[in-house]
Amino acid sequence: EAQVTQNPRYLITVTGKKLTVTCSQNMNHEYMSWYRQDPGLGLRQIYYSMNVEVTDKGDVPEGYKVSRKEKRNFPLILESPSPNQTSLYFCASSLNRGSGYTFGSGTRLTVV
Amino acid sequence: GENVEQHPSTLSVQEGDSAVIKCTYSDSASNYFPWYKQELGKRPQLIIDIRSNVGEKKDQRIAVTLNKTAKHFSLHITETQPEDSAVYFCAASIFNNDMRFGAGTRLTVKP
Repeated sequence: EAQVTQNPRYLITVTGKKLTVTCSQNMNHEYMSWYRQDPGLGLRQIYYSMNVEVTDKGDVPEGYKVSRKEKRNFPLILESPSPNQTSLYFCASSLNRGSGYTFGSGTRLTVV
Repeated sequence: GENVEQHPSTLSVQEGDSAVIKCTYSDSASNYFPWYKQELGKRPQLIIDIRSNVGEKKDQRIAVTLNKTAKHFSLHITETQPEDSAVYFCAASIFNNDMRFGAGTRLTVKP
């Protein structure tokens, strides 16, 4: 089944403890992206990647890192999580330029 | 960068009526405008999209219109049904680079 898989679905962690949210797609998509969703703010882009080893900042990149070593994987890294990073995170991928995104199921992160 | 504004934030209609959601964008270079539907507790799903070389696109009960001069685009849902109740997001980008979303519209269709 064609899909974007994120793990974990839920995560509660403490301030400052490094964590990684994994994202993998099996559709051979070029574009991948990370968004966070907060009430009243919609979906805000954190980072995006146009292809392997090509990444760029979105609207809210501070406090996050990404890497795109393989086409299928696009992990999101929080080196030192803080409570203001408590949010619902979505990974998304698209076939190429000008195609719509397919979203993963989301990761609900709570930082205490 | 691109800025997308979406109105209204909430919309309530009677089943069978039409619903219209409007978005404006700031970057005249934007050329791709998708719309997503997000049901409660689920992921956003693409429902329709339009590119800047097209003024209107229809898919059964949904349609999107684009006015490049005024930099606004709209989603039209006709003959609304309770299952259309969801949050709808518009977005704009130059291809898929740096895609910006509106804040969302919560549509409620009353039976």
